[in-house]
Formats: sequence, structure tokens, C-alpha cells
Amino acid sequence: AQSVTQLGSHVSVSEGALVLLRCNYSSSVPPYLFWYVQYPNQGLQLLLKYTTGATLVKGINGFEAEFKKSETSFHLTKPSAHMSDAAEYFCAVRSNTPLVFGKGTRLSVIA
Amino acid sequence: NAGVTQTPKFQVLKTGQSMTLQCAQDMNHNSMYWYRQDPGMGLRLIYYSASEGTTDKGEVPNGYNVSRLNKREFSLRLESAAPSQTSVYFCASSDPDRVGFYSNQPQHFGDGTRLSIL
Repeated sequence: AQSVTQLGSHVSVSEGALVLLRCNYSSSVPPYLFWYVQYPNQGLQLLLKYTTGATLVKGINGFEAEFKKSETSFHLTKPSAHMSDAAEYFCAVRSNTPLVFGKGTRLSVIA
Repeated sequence: NAGVTQTPKFQVLKTGQSMTLQCAQDMNHNSMYWYRQDPGMGLRLIYYSASEGTTDKGEVPNGYNVSRLNKREFSLRLESAAPSQTSVYFCASSDPDRVGFYSNQPQHFGDGTRLSIL
């Protein structure tokens, strides 16, 4: 079975500061990993995904994530937070069962 | 481009009433999904349809039924609504798995149906 753990249900950062959202996964087979973002009253949008190959993945809006197999992690980062980054972020894992989501991390950006 | 369209966007029901949530996608995807989103719980899979003519239970199927009407449409039915089914429901679609390989394609989501059951 696969599972996802997102550390921190709520993260606050100052505008211009580093954003780090943590995601750890478990999977019995090589996984595909995804980060989605959800803005208020909207559905989920894909930020980025890791399938194979390069372990540092770049996504939209300046976000990136690094797949670390030895740590079973896929943390999401952005060098400089913007007010428009305030949203809820979901990490998800896919292997031989349907996509499984973490519980989400709400990001607040303080001016 | 419409993508995934869900109707209605909001609904209030009384306990015991029935209702069908509609979902349609225009991306020619074979696979479709229904999730519910509750505070602090993330998204939990209710049912999915890997391809037209097939449906399978997800993590939380009790109290729900689904119909894959055709390749575009996948509906979710609550036969006798309960307050515990108050939630935001999301439909999604994606390319399917191939035999022996699981898909690395992302799911595309609708904007959700906000359902309250009194």
C-alpha cells in the first residue's frame, strides 16, 4: 500500500522568504509523485510531477521539488514567496494503486 | 477549454433525500474519479472508472453509487443523504493505465460541488 505524509498542516512565511513544504511517501514499488495547488473555491491544479529521470523537478510559478529515494521524500520549495502563493498544497503518490493524496498544507504569506 | 465540468456547484439537502452529482470531461480521457474533500483529511477516493464500462470502489465508497454513462460522463449518486456526507466533492479525469504499467499522467480536476446535508 502507498501513503503520503505532509508535515505541517499550516505553514506561514513572510513575503520574499523561502517556502518549504514537506512530503514523505511510502510505496512498495517505484512511485510517481505529484504536487497540486488548490486556491479558494477552486479545484486542484498540477504544480509539478516526478516520473523518472532527473530528480529535481521544476514546475509552474517558480516552484520545484526534489525526489530523494533514500529519504522517501519529495519536498516542495520556492526561493521567494509571493502573496499569490497563499493556497493549500497537496502531495500525491501513484504506483500500482490509484492516486493517494496527503492531508494538505495550507500556506499563508505575510506581507 | 472547459476541461472537467461539475454540476451543481452548490446544493443543500435534507437527511434522507437523494441526489446525483454530474461530471463531464472534454479531454477524451478514459479514466474518471470521484473524491470527497473534508477539512484536515485531504482528498479521499470514493469511486473511480478506469475506462468506459468499468467502475471500482475507492477508499470511502459506502453510501454512494456511480454510473459511467459514456466516455465523457461519470455521475455520483447519494441514495439517502446523511449529515456525514456533507463535503466538497471533486470529479477528475486522466489518461488510463496501460496493461502492466501505471499511468504517470496527472489528473485534471473540476471546481467541485459543495454539498450540505441538514
